[in-house]
Amino acid sequence: GAVVSQHPSRVICKSGTSVKIECRSLDFQATTMFWYRQFPKQSLMLMATSNEGSKATYEQGVEKDKFLINHASLTLSTLTVTSAHPEDSSFYICSAASGTGSNTIYFGEGSWLTVV
Amino acid sequence: TQLLEQSPQFLSIQEGENLTVYCNSSSVFSSLQWYRQEPGEGPVLLVTVVTGGEVKKLKRLTFQFGDARKDSSLHITAAQPGDTGLYLCAGDWGGGNKLTFGTGTQLKVEL
Repeated sequence: GAVVSQHPSRVICKSGTSVKIECRSLDFQATTMFWYRQFPKQSLMLMATSNEGSKATYEQGVEKDKFLINHASLTLSTLTVTSAHPEDSSFYICSAASGTGSNTIYFGEGSWLTVV
Repeated sequence: TQLLEQSPQFLSIQEGENLTVYCNSSSVFSSLQWYRQEPGEGPVLLVTVVTGGEVKKLKRLTFQFGDARKDSSLHITAAQPGDTGLYLCAGDWGGGNKLTFGTGTQLKVEL
């Protein structure tokens, strides 16, 4: 079946540096991908909608200059956390839709980011 | 911002017990999904409900969508330790695959 893969699964970076997380749809094309953030023992919070070939749409309260999203192809979206700080440490999850229906959404395995 | 409230937030029960998790919103959903998530993994889809009043069953899990499509429930019969996890409802209001997740219910089933 359809698979969405994230890389890296775990990353540790120093405070002040930037880190990139990739989200790939492995066997289907996704014009739209979504990025979520999840803190321990909490639910998923939608950060932004990644649109292939155009700018991402950010949710209220999410800094677009801090969380850079690039959706350069139909199978790849990247999230770059710039000038990371310890409070950015979280579990980041992407999703992609393989069709137009709302029941064809696939989630990645998630990426743990720890900023030290 | 659409809000999805789940209750209870935490639930610890013994193996064999039954339980119900609720998901409520003041807005009408285009569709609603239920997910189960293990620590450190992405959420796994359990079911999608679309029609008001719809009932779906998945083995020991029964999902119900409210008539007005504003609420949903998940009922687990004879819970097992393998049911332990974070249960999340997620609503799609606009039909564009953009999901808003509920607050989550952490379930622990003990022997």
